[in-house]
Amino acid sequence: TQLLEQSPQFLSIQEGENLTVYCNSSSVFSSLQWYRQEPGEGPVLLVTVVTGGEVKKLKRLTFQFGDARKDSSLHITAAQPGDTGLYLCAGIGNRDDKIIFGKGTRLHILP
Amino acid sequence: DTAVSQTPKYLVTQMGNDKSIKCEQNLGHDTMYWYKQDSKKFLKIMFSYNNKELIINETVPNRFSPKSPDKAHLNLHINSLELGDSAVYFCASSQPGLGGEQYFGPGTRLTVT
Repeated sequence: TQLLEQSPQFLSIQEGENLTVYCNSSSVFSSLQWYRQEPGEGPVLLVTVVTGGEVKKLKRLTFQFGDARKDSSLHITAAQPGDTGLYLCAGIGNRDDKIIFGKGTRLHILP
Repeated sequence: DTAVSQTPKYLVTQMGNDKSIKCEQNLGHDTMYWYKQDSKKFLKIMFSYNNKELIINETVPNRFSPKSPDKAHLNLHINSLELGDSAVYFCASSQPGLGGEQYFGPGTRLTVT
């Protein structure tokens, strides 16, 4: 069974600080997605990474896919209160195209 | 325009009842899904339909039965509701398949008392 472990589960930091969220697995994925979910809403896709070692930037957010396509990280520079939310990583199975989600990282940025 | 819509937004019902949640997408996607998100925010896929045909059915009690009248609709019917069914249920769609971006509905918060 493929599993995606996200860490940390909870993170509360001051505005302006940097942070990194990790998504790890022992399985290889064909691609990996990061979603952000706000209270009372469904998750919204932030980025998809496909190639091992790939780095994608979305303003202050930097996403990296591990060389072996088993892990990923999300780095936020100079966090802002608007970054508050639940961040979910999702891996697409390398063999069966099944999607599995990590348990999420709840991020709270204090003004 | 709402891309993926679900009704109702909230559903409170008693144990043993039967209820349905409706989902519609106007994105023209071929693939639709139902997810369950528990109180710890763990999001787990339940079903996936591709062009009205069931392609994924995870380990879900057979009290849960999805129905897809056409590729724009995927409804979820739940029989004999149990306390453990309380959760937020999300409908989603994607194109061309699971590797594509998932567009989620706003969720239906089901509370079984």
